[in-house]
Amino acid sequence: GENVEQHPSTLSVQEGDSAVIKCTYSDSASNYFPWYKQELGKGPQLIIDIRSNVGEKKDQRIAVTLNKTAKHFSLHITETQPEDSAVYFCAANDPGYSSASKIIFGSGTRLSIRP
Amino acid sequence: EPEVTQTPSHQVTQMGQEVILRCVPISNHLYFYWYRQILGQKVEFLVSFYNNEISEKSEIFDDQFSVERPDGSNFTLKIRSTKLEDSAMYFCASSEEATDTQYFGPGTRLTVL
Repeated sequence: GENVEQHPSTLSVQEGDSAVIKCTYSDSASNYFPWYKQELGKGPQLIIDIRSNVGEKKDQRIAVTLNKTAKHFSLHITETQPEDSAVYFCAANDPGYSSASKIIFGSGTRLSIRP
Repeated sequence: EPEVTQTPSHQVTQMGQEVILRCVPISNHLYFYWYRQILGQKVEFLVSFYNNEISEKSEIFDDQFSVERPDGSNFTLKIRSTKLEDSAMYFCASSEEATDTQYFGPGTRLTVL
């Protein structure tokens, strides 16, 4: 089955600087890669996703890149703000054999924005 | 914007008791999921559900667990005889299509004493 590795586990950046989180996946059949933000005591909230037919996607200050050959994908947050502080999870779908595609999560990155 | 809701937000139970966690998926979604997150760890897949039956389940989802869609709106997770190690956040998610985006609820924190 799919395995997703994520690093770093913690990241501290100065407000206004950029943050980059990197992930790798193992199953070449995976074709959907969402990123979730989780604030304390809340459920994962989708912030951006990318499918394997594109290499890059951007939404305002957030961008995600995908390298299918190397099986890695990254999240880039520019001009970071205090409200960006949270735990970020990368994920990949595991198409498997079922009719519903489960999501396999990375271990998470705790991002802290220093004022 | 439509969202997944879950009740209760926090459930405390004694070991060996049965618990039912409830979810209301987004109304036009057809695929439903339960995930679990033990404190400080990654989110883990438990089970997926489509067309009134389980599509896939993980190793965690043993005979003590069951899911049900009792009516057109609710989706429940039952743990028949809770263990200490069942203590975790349980998240419900739903998606419109099989390979579509999954939207997560706010979770139920289950504490087994």
